[in-house]
Amino acid sequence: GAGVSQSPRYKVTKRGQDVALRCDPISGHVSLYWYRQALGQGPEFLTYFNYEAQQDKSGLPNDRFSAERPEGSISTLTIQRTEQRDSAMYRCASSPEGGAGEETQYFGPGTRLLVL
Amino acid sequence: AQKITQTQPGMFVQEKEAVTLDCTYDTSDQSYGLFWYKQPSSGEMIFLIYQGSYDEQNATEGRYSLNFQKARKSANLVISASQLGDSAMYFCAMRPFQGAQKLVFGQGTRLTINP
Repeated sequence: GAGVSQSPRYKVTKRGQDVALRCDPISGHVSLYWYRQALGQGPEFLTYFNYEAQQDKSGLPNDRFSAERPEGSISTLTIQRTEQRDSAMYRCASSPEGGAGEETQYFGPGTRLLVL
Repeated sequence: AQKITQTQPGMFVQEKEAVTLDCTYDTSDQSYGLFWYKQPSSGEMIFLIYQGSYDEQNATEGRYSLNFQKARKSANLVISASQLGDSAMYFCAMRPFQGAQKLVFGQGTRLTINP
């Protein structure tokens, strides 16, 4: 079946612009996660949802970052007034049943964001 | 809080040899899961193998096995009979069974397989 998809795959924007990154999880997956990965580093958690409810947003760096998953499927991560330090790979992952225990998270291909 | 440490920034191995990628972790949780992911140059994150803290046997998945030593808090990945396609970044990650559902990743090890 289809895996996690993300769009756009690449985004170049100018400082100060808003960007919206989209994630389409594996069909039927309850949990959806957003991570950010700097070059040469491991992914770092941003936020996650079970269905449409945002369960944890402790990793969002500041209030310019927000995420939603209004119908419990597709999610959008929005960065307002982008800054150069926001440049990174943004990864989405999903898991089947709520993320507990040994449940594996399956990652999408990522969106590489470059803020000029 | 959880922490993952991967002390090998880069590894170079001859094709067909076995390779061990090190991972140590720090947590106060009693129950947790340990994961390894592969990130090839194409940028995907591919799940390889999982080990639960309660598992008494080491996990295996094809050429991948996990050398889990709970008392030492280590979860090393062993790749047998390495292939050129194994060249990639490898990330170790963990997640507690209770509380936060996020994965905590290490900094990764870049593995290069030489022909």
